[in-house]
Amino acid sequence: EAGVVQSPRYKIIEKKQPVAFWCNPISGHNTLYWYLQNLGQGPELLIRYENEEAVDDSQLPKDRFSAERLKGVDSTLKIQPAELGDSAVYLCASSPGLGQGGELFFGEGSRLTVL
Amino acid sequence: KQEVTQIPAALSVPEGENLVLNCSFTDSAIYNLQWFRQDPGKGLTSLLLIQSSQREQTSGRLNASLDKSSGRSTLYIAASQPGDSATYLCAVKTSYDKVIFGPGTSLSVIP
Repeated sequence: EAGVVQSPRYKIIEKKQPVAFWCNPISGHNTLYWYLQNLGQGPELLIRYENEEAVDDSQLPKDRFSAERLKGVDSTLKIQPAELGDSAVYLCASSPGLGQGGELFFGEGSRLTVL
Repeated sequence: KQEVTQIPAALSVPEGENLVLNCSFTDSAIYNLQWFRQDPGKGLTSLLLIQSSQREQTSGRLNASLDKSSGRSTLYIAASQPGDSATYLCAVKTSYDKVIFGPGTSLSVIP
């Protein structure tokens, strides 16, 4: 069974440029999460989807960040314009519903460097 | 508001030692607790998942326990090996399906 797939693995851009990250969750997982992880810290939630609905986006900086999950499967996270402080690893995770144990599975992450 | 802490922040042990990593959370109303391993530059790999109704889970040399009333979980690693060197993170899932992570413990096993 394929795991959570993310792309690109690495991205280097100049500040003020746009960037987009893509995530394909495990088949059948209704819940999809985007996390941000800074060096030496635990992941911090950006947005959580239940199917195609964003049910928790309270930590998403909406002035520059946006996300979508069309058809309740793949998801895209976009930053426009990027700032130096956005350099971090962006992690995507998926999970089956609480009634199925609720275990979280992560992709390899997308490492962003903003110059 | 749920907060998760992990002690120690870093740990260095000689190969072969048994060790315990600690995870604490402030709100006992959790749905489950999950332990992860993260290697440098990689994503998080799930190690053990403990449901709120369970007390412990075991996988090979790993054993995780959960005490909801005291807001604590421990990850026990038996007979540590250099390949166990990584950062270990715990995460709690609330009944609202929100997942909150601790900052992690960086483990180094010295040959």
